[in-house]
Amino acid sequence: KNEVEQSPQNLTAQEGEFITINCSYSVGISALHWLQQHPGGGIVSLFMLSSGKKKHGRLIATINIQEKHSSLHITASHPRDSAVYICAVTLNTGNQFYFGTGTSLTVIP
Amino acid sequence: DAGVIQSPRHEVTEMGQEVTLRCKPISGHNSLFWYRQTMMRGLELLIYFNNNVPIDDSGMPEDRFSAKMPNASFSTLKIQPSEPRDSAVYFCASSSGPYVYSNQPQHFGDGTRLSIL
Repeated sequence: KNEVEQSPQNLTAQEGEFITINCSYSVGISALHWLQQHPGGGIVSLFMLSSGKKKHGRLIATINIQEKHSSLHITASHPRDSAVYICAVTLNTGNQFYFGTGTSLTVIP
Repeated sequence: DAGVIQSPRHEVTEMGQEVTLRCKPISGHNSLFWYRQTMMRGLELLIYFNNNVPIDDSGMPEDRFSAKMPNASFSTLKIQPSEPRDSAVYFCASSSGPYVYSNQPQHFGDGTRLSIL
């Protein structure tokens, strides 16, 4: 059983489309992270949030603590957004960090 | 401003050999994390340090794995003896803040791609 589930596993979109990646978790958390891993392998932390919504450029992350669900949205998608997006949660005990299996996004020009 | 620096970027060695991975966190960051990424298991947290002290090493797979942080600017992850199933990409990350997992993002290094033959 995975503590963190992501959907979809794979996503292909046309440039300009609005994209949503979902993350559900089954444990009590203190924070949820969205990470981006490019084909070259480097990992970038996009957001860390514990409530509400955060926005950075064309990226928006939301979390609903009651429903144990988070979404990552990309507006006006671009081929350079092609990457694996990973959801991770920090348990509210502070001693564990669980990862989703990632969503592989390909944006076609 | 330099990010998290890992070395080597790639390591290929034969099973049974000792492997040492190195990490230099961002200056001023007081939390350091070691992760392993494989196709089968995805990203896994191995161990994290706060103020150079190991806080939780429950993710370390076996006694063959050990990690040290002798000072605020350097950490090592050692595998001895190495086995083919240890082949993976190993990432180091650091963050600031007074507590582990405080409300600060983690900054990742570029990773070390390890292949054990």
